[in-house]
Amino acid sequence: DTGVSQDPRHKITKRGQNVTFRCDPISEHNRLYWYRQTLGQGPEFLTYFQNEAQLEKSRLLSDRFSAERPKGSFSTLEIQRTEQGDSAMYLCASSLSVRGVHLNYGYTFGSGTRLTVV
Amino acid sequence: TQLLEQSPQFLSIQEGENLTVYCNSSSVFSSLQWYRQEPGEGPVLLVTVVTGGEVKKLKRLTFQFGDARKDSSLHITAAQPGDTGLYLCAPGDNAGNMLTFGGGTRLMVKP
Repeated sequence: DTGVSQDPRHKITKRGQNVTFRCDPISEHNRLYWYRQTLGQGPEFLTYFQNEAQLEKSRLLSDRFSAERPKGSFSTLEIQRTEQGDSAMYLCASSLSVRGVHLNYGYTFGSGTRLTVV
Repeated sequence: TQLLEQSPQFLSIQEGENLTVYCNSSSVFSSLQWYRQEPGEGPVLLVTVVTGGEVKKLKRLTFQFGDARKDSSLHITAAQPGDTGLYLCAPGDNAGNMLTFGGGTRLMVKP
């Protein structure tokens, strides 16, 4: 297992375009998280899944954002009608939860997708 | 929402110097994690501290969890350029719902 993979690593898009990012978690991890990080700040939580169920969404996740994890494996994050304020690093992380107990070994993060909206 | 304050925000030092960075909150945590993030990469877990007063060492890095489990510190001895990065703290959540990160301390170690 090569860890958490994110694709693409970089994306430059024009304002108003739609973009989609993909995250492949560690295969045995049932939880998957999306974070957004702007320059000089710590990552901010967006949403997370347990298997295919989306369990929580931050108020940062406006209606232009949608995330899916259709088969409980990879996940996609789509941003519609991008705005310059969407420019950020989008990080994906995964972890393992067993019988509702999170194995507190930490979260494994991917390298992120850096989005630039021009 | 748990408010985490990390200090200092920025630190630039020469190779070989010692340093300490802090993570403070008014909330009590069941555990706390420290991550290091290098430019263009995701955060990487360094350590999880669980017990109040706990001290953990990772080579030249020493992590301490406050007795009241509201704060933590990271001390680096004889810093090296490879220690350069953003150091983030986040309270552990046994339910694993999400991590709430502090703003981080950006460390630069100059050769």
